[in-house]
Amino acid sequence: AQKVTQAQTEISVVEKEDVTLDCVYETRDTTYYLFWYKQPPSGELVFLIRRNSFDEQNEISGRYSWNFQKSTSSFNFTITASQVVDSAVYFCALSEVKTSYDKVIFGPGTSLSVIP
Amino acid sequence: ETGVTQSPTHLIKTRGQQVTLRCSSQSGHNTVSWYQQALGQGPQFIFQYYREEENGRGNFPPRFSGLQFPNYSSELNVNALELDDSALYLCASSSRQGAGANVLTFGAGSRLTVL
Repeated sequence: AQKVTQAQTEISVVEKEDVTLDCVYETRDTTYYLFWYKQPPSGELVFLIRRNSFDEQNEISGRYSWNFQKSTSSFNFTITASQVVDSAVYFCALSEVKTSYDKVIFGPGTSLSVIP
Repeated sequence: ETGVTQSPTHLIKTRGQQVTLRCSSQSGHNTVSWYQQALGQGPQFIFQYYREEENGRGNFPPRFSGLQFPNYSSELNVNALELDDSALYLCASSSRQGAGANVLTFGAGSRLTVL
């Protein structure tokens, strides 16, 4: 069975601190996609990154970086120099490719509060 | 380009009633998915529509049904509402490239409260 675990339910940091959000996934598939989405208080989920299972190269986008380690089934997300606008719930997600549709499995989310 | 819009934003129903939620896809997208997000949890996949047909379904009973229209807008219908149906219902559209790879564009959701 496929599953996504985000062990950190809530995290609070002071502005300008770095913070890492953990994600561990389970799948028997060799081909899959991993995602991170951000859900601000307004409700809509905002896409941050997509990574396929064959691409383990880490990625940096501004203050955001992602560390994909297939050996440990982890896809962690780091925010450098956090800002108040980063306060949101962050979801890690896993998507199969063997189905004919987009079945995305979301983790329970990590609520990040950045305190000024 | 317009994003995904959902209506209504909030609604209250009583147990046993029926509800219809609506979604307009992002321009250029041909696939619509619906998710249920209970309070404090991650979204759960209900079903997906492509070419006006349901082409995938999660672990939800048949009283959850949907439609996709020729303009790619969509409806989610829930019959015989139960208290546990209280949740945020999210619509997501995508441009079909390949199963599993598609980035979803979400609406802000419809918050349903069942009393």
